[in-house]
Amino acid sequence: GQQVQQSPASLVLQEGENAELQCNFSTSLNSMQWFYQRPGGSLVSLFYNPSGTKHSGRLTSTTVIKERRSSLHISSSQTTDSGTYLCALERGNMGYKLTFGTGTSLLVDP
Amino acid sequence: EAAVTQSPRSKVAVTGGKVTLSCHQTNNHDYMYWYRQDTGHGLRLIHYSYVADSTEKGDIPDGYKASRPSQENFSLILELASLSQTAVYFCASSPQTYEQYFGPGTRLTVL
Repeated sequence: GQQVQQSPASLVLQEGENAELQCNFSTSLNSMQWFYQRPGGSLVSLFYNPSGTKHSGRLTSTTVIKERRSSLHISSSQTTDSGTYLCALERGNMGYKLTFGTGTSLLVDP
Repeated sequence: EAAVTQSPRSKVAVTGGKVTLSCHQTNNHDYMYWYRQDTGHGLRLIHYSYVADSTEKGDIPDGYKASRPSQENFSLILELASLSQTAVYFCASSPQTYEQYFGPGTRLTVL
């Protein structure tokens, strides 16, 4: 079965609204990585977060290993935040490999 | 700044033909990876390598070979391209257990 599940699959916001993206996993992990994928392709790493909470500007990532979940919070969204957000699980006991979720497609309207 | 480049950026291939996708990194990273992305599947790992002249199978290696002739270069080879291999392919590198840095992707269309 799917080891990494992301929700919601898609989300539409008005500029200025906040968003909470979820990633749930069913297997052990070494770490969780969040990526932003621009329309058109390339991936940008947002957070490498083994556990706890990390902040970067308007973004906050929280990973709770015991509960097998990680979240990405976007505050005061902007139209330039539109794109796809992917979480990826670095699996335990399997070397340095990532298992990706299917992503959350975010559209921020002006 | 981490740098991973891929070539070509897009390619159209014929069914049954041979395709080679190339990846080059200037990060001095030990690990390199090849993923493919299909709509609805996220990214899936095809092959990876942790040292030159050695490659390992990922989650979906069937129909693909990989080659790591040097620390900087990692190639993905489709000996007999098939329609089902139409996808976007991403290369990445990482310094062992740490965040991965991705290239810009190669869009492959097999006709």
